[in-house]
Amino acid sequence: DGGITQSPKYLFRKEGQNVTLSCEQNLNHDAMYWYRQDPGQGLRLIYYSQIVNDFQKGDIAEGYSVSREKKESFPLTVTSAQKNPTAFYLCASSRGSGNTIYFGEGSWLTVV
Amino acid sequence: GIQVEQSPPDLILQEGANSTLRCNFSDSVNNLQWFHQNPWGQLINLFYIPSGTKQNGRLSATTVATERYSLLYISSSQTTDSGVYFCAVEPGGGGADGLTFGKGTHLIIQP
Repeated sequence: DGGITQSPKYLFRKEGQNVTLSCEQNLNHDAMYWYRQDPGQGLRLIYYSQIVNDFQKGDIAEGYSVSREKKESFPLTVTSAQKNPTAFYLCASSRGSGNTIYFGEGSWLTVV
Repeated sequence: GIQVEQSPPDLILQEGANSTLRCNFSDSVNNLQWFHQNPWGQLINLFYIPSGTKQNGRLSATTVATERYSLLYISSSQTTDSGVYFCAVEPGGGGADGLTFGKGTHLIIQP
């Protein structure tokens, strides 16, 4: 099936640990995105990538890092520098500007 | 950056009622999408509608780009329509910079 796969769906992390969330798409999309959602809130953009080997910071990039070594993969690392990492994380992709953006099913991260 | 405002923030209706959700945005856009977020958090694409009118069953949407607003209509509401509806826009300008989301409308349909 074509789509966007995020893993893991649920993740618990101890304070001070880095964690990496996976995002893979087989839609042959050039652009990929990471969003964060806090309870009762809208989505906020963390990082985005318009093409392989290139990415830009979104509105709330501090404490996060990404890589885009392959077209189909855009992993997000939540570092220990992120002060409040507990949230719902959503990955998305599109063919580029002005095209429909599709979302994965999300990953729930809890810091314990 | 571009601002997106959705209204109303909360809406409670009886099954069978009709509803209109509004999205105002502050600048020109080359993408506007409506989503329904289900109780498990999944964002379901409803419409890609940077301009014009579209219909899909009981749902329809209209975007008037020159006046910078979009409307989502839900007719003959069902309890399964409950959830949060988001409007999101991508600013005009050419780059694939991602969507800016409104805060959503929380819709509750009572049986």
